[in-house]
Amino acid sequence: DVVMTQTPVSLSVSLGGQVSISCRSSQSLVHNNGNTYLSWYLQKPGQSPQLLIYKVSNRFSGISDRFSGSGSGTDFTLKISRVEPDDLGVYYCGQGTQYPWTFGGGTKLELK
Amino acid sequence: EVQLQQSGAELVKPGASVKLSCKTSGYTFSNYYMSWLKQMPGQNIEWIGNIYGGNGGTGYNQKFKGKATLTVDKSSSTAYMDLSSLTSEDSAVYFCARLITIAAPRFDYWGQGVMVTVSS
Repeated sequence: DVVMTQTPVSLSVSLGGQVSISCRSSQSLVHNNGNTYLSWYLQKPGQSPQLLIYKVSNRFSGISDRFSGSGSGTDFTLKISRVEPDDLGVYYCGQGTQYPWTFGGGTKLELK
Repeated sequence: EVQLQQSGAELVKPGASVKLSCKTSGYTFSNYYMSWLKQMPGQNIEWIGNIYGGNGGTGYNQKFKGKATLTVDKSSSTAYMDLSSLTSEDSAVYFCARLITIAAPRFDYWGQGVMVTVSS
């Protein structure tokens, strides 16, 4: 199975600040068709996860441009700028390139 | 508006089975896959498997074969997951999530989750 490793495990940020979350995969996430199926999700406290970013850098419908994804191969980053209170929770990366689809362990974003 | 409404929390005895439901609305059920995912307390998310709303075709994570069985009822736009021979390791929150496409997988809408507790 593809192992997804997220760092850091937790992150403290001031409102209005910027943070980056890293996600590394144990194998390349480039599919045979040339696409890279790496997504990012946010799970707010007591809620189900919500899709933020798909195929590395595409924002899902309604997601603020304060969220941006980048990376390639095995190394990916989610950046959040101008952090707002509603951004707090646990961020997960997930891969859909190889079966079984797998997720990272999560990064908890908290207020400083 | 796309909605996935899951059934309520379950308390089940070890060795028993449980059937979870995920009733959908706001989209054409038969045109999409539904995935099921597991989240143990404080832990990361595991993908269990997918089922196609159109014909009930399934794909499973090898880890959950024999544990989970996915079915659909097109007439009520509802997806189901049977979990069998339950142990404490099956105590978790289970989510259903719509899969946009199996060719470019991502989960765009999620149910609220259902807590399954296995205890005698």
